[in-house]
Amino acid sequence: DAGITQSPRHKVTETGTPVTLRCHQTENHRYMYWYRQDPGHGLRLIHYSYGVKDTDKGEVSDGYSVSRSKTEDFLLTLESATSSQTSVYFCAIRTGGGEGEQFFGPGTRLTVL
Amino acid sequence: EDQVTQSPEALRLQEGESSSLNCSYTVSGLRGLFWYRQDPGKGPEFLFTLYSAGEEKEKERLKATLTKKESFLHITAPKPEDSATYLCAGTGTYKYIFGTGTRLKVLA
Repeated sequence: DAGITQSPRHKVTETGTPVTLRCHQTENHRYMYWYRQDPGHGLRLIHYSYGVKDTDKGEVSDGYSVSRSKTEDFLLTLESATSSQTSVYFCAIRTGGGEGEQFFGPGTRLTVL
Repeated sequence: EDQVTQSPEALRLQEGESSSLNCSYTVSGLRGLFWYRQDPGKGPEFLFTLYSAGEEKEKERLKATLTKKESFLHITAPKPEDSATYLCAGTGTYKYIFGTGTRLKVLA
């Protein structure tokens, strides 16, 4: 258990509403990641962070923004949710150096109606 | 473009029937190849890291191996509790490229 929690665990929202997902870690890891997982696509990187206020885009970042004001929290925001953003969202931390293992949170299932 | 491909997509085995899952990769400057297990409704659970060709790691009924082009996850005498989706991922930097997984079902 890498001490990663995600909230909420489930959310149903309507198209056009803003949504914020939270990832919280207890072990002070520098690197944090947000992925989405969809059938047939595997895990795809949305954004990642390499320190407080240091973030960068992944392969599917359109429509998403992130913020990291504290080491332990990494927030993912959907500014105006669309049905294509219905997915399961996973947060992960990375241990060690450039080849360190990633450990994942339990996921958030988001449904956009 | 970096890519990780897993095969087969799905595999059904009888309890005790050994088999292997394949992960082919093209990741520039590979620094690590990772295997994860994912149960339905849960996040991926870390299994192994392999760093260089020829390396092998074992855990219970699982053994992971790595060559310069692919990795294998060998499952020896599987049990129904080994049923899960197995993911592999490669990293050359701070980004990780995941395959789409192999869904393994072990029948009693």
